[in-house]
Amino acid sequence: EVQLVESGGGLVQPGGSLRLSCAASGFTFSSYWMSWVRQAPGKGLEWVASIKDDGNEKYYVGSVKGRFTISRDNAKNSLFLQMNSLRAEDTALYYCARVFGGMAHFDFWGQGTLVTVSS
Amino acid sequence: QLVLTQSPSASASLGASVKLTCTLSSGHSSYAIAWHQQQSEKGPRYLMKVNSDGSHRKGDGIPDRFSGSSSGAERYLTISSLQSDDEADYYCQTWGTGILVFGGGTKLTVL
Repeated sequence: EVQLVESGGGLVQPGGSLRLSCAASGFTFSSYWMSWVRQAPGKGLEWVASIKDDGNEKYYVGSVKGRFTISRDNAKNSLFLQMNSLRAEDTALYYCARVFGGMAHFDFWGQGTLVTVSS
Repeated sequence: QLVLTQSPSASASLGASVKLTCTLSSGHSSYAIAWHQQQSEKGPRYLMKVNSDGSHRKGDGIPDRFSGSSSGAERYLTISSLQSDDEADYYCQTWGTGILVFGGGTKLTVL
């Protein structure tokens, strides 16, 4: 059974940093692209970042470029999102998601971890 | 620019059928999309991929009541024999080179 479990969310002040983690199990992690998707309170889903199976390609939505870094550790079946220079508008539930078919559609999702940016 | 457009809301009666629409932006009518369901206070769940020819591939455990189809730049999700737990937000999603895109979502109310 595919499982994705996010952790690392919390309350952080504007300008601060946070590192999210996603522990994957039930599939060959090193064979799949992975992504982070966020959902602001009461809003829709927004793609944040994706990383290739071998970690050699990374893509970001424009609003987080230069501030967020996606990475992975295939030996530990783990996905990460380093978030720096956080802003109030980054407040959201952050989901880890497996991507099927290269960088195509999401086929499994975690339950999310909440990030709140506020003073 | 790759954009997906969905109606904000839809409603249908218990036991009836409903057809949700996702429209691809101009120049992107050949793109495949995926449908995801998000029930209240839960993470999203992948339903299916819908190709431009109307063929679709469902995720694990998705009931036969859920089906997909296409016409031009429109991609559809049809849910038949509506049940109360079909009440949810439904998002379409597509992809291009280096980008993944969601529609705004449709909130389905089961009456």
